[in-house]
Amino acid sequence: NAGVTQTPKFRILKIGQSMTLQCTQDMNHNYMYWYRQDPGMGLKLIYYSVGAGITDKGEVPNGYNVSRSTTEDFPLRLELAAPSQTSVYFCASSKRGGLTGELFFGEGSRLTVL
Amino acid sequence: GQQLNQSPQSMFIQEGEDVSMNCTSSSIFNTWLWYKQDPGEGPVILIALYKAGELTSNGRLTAQFGTTRKDSFLNISASIPSDVGIYFCAGRPETGTASKLTFGTGTRLQVTL
Repeated sequence: NAGVTQTPKFRILKIGQSMTLQCTQDMNHNYMYWYRQDPGMGLKLIYYSVGAGITDKGEVPNGYNVSRSTTEDFPLRLELAAPSQTSVYFCASSKRGGLTGELFFGEGSRLTVL
Repeated sequence: GQQLNQSPQSMFIQEGEDVSMNCTSSSIFNTWLWYKQDPGEGPVILIALYKAGELTSNGRLTAQFGTTRKDSFLNISASIPSDVGIYFCAGRPETGTASKLTFGTGTRLQVTL
């Protein structure tokens, strides 16, 4: 019953460093998403993918990159970390997009940029 | 972007009390979803609503898709300590990319014994 798995759970970065947040799902879902959650706020969509090889920007894509080479994996890349990217990042997947796609979330990755 | 306003932002209630919270949008939505987030965890879906006026229950939880299609309500009956957490509404607007969910800012629920 793995569902959506994210690594690492916690990470501290220095300004300007790069890192990749890993996300994998074993539910054979076509749709995958990356959200960030800032304190006291709802989730903001960073990037999403409707299938392998297809990605698109969400609401707050600046400073991030994604790739989707397989159905299972959807890594999120931070190239030049900035303090504004301190947040909790959630990966999610859904069987369908559209009106009936209910999202299943990972446990989150807490990133601090100092 | 879309705005979803959740009310109240936080609430303290006593065990056994009923809880009501709501979510309103500035535009018409086609889908409403309610999620719960426990500390240190990702959100978990509670209820999904797909038609205006729809009323759906999941145990002690009941949610409704508002008839104006601009709001949704979640009720929890006879609250228990494990109901503690943050409740998020989420929805898909009538216009725009159907794959994108908009999330509210959450209602933090704390239950006292």
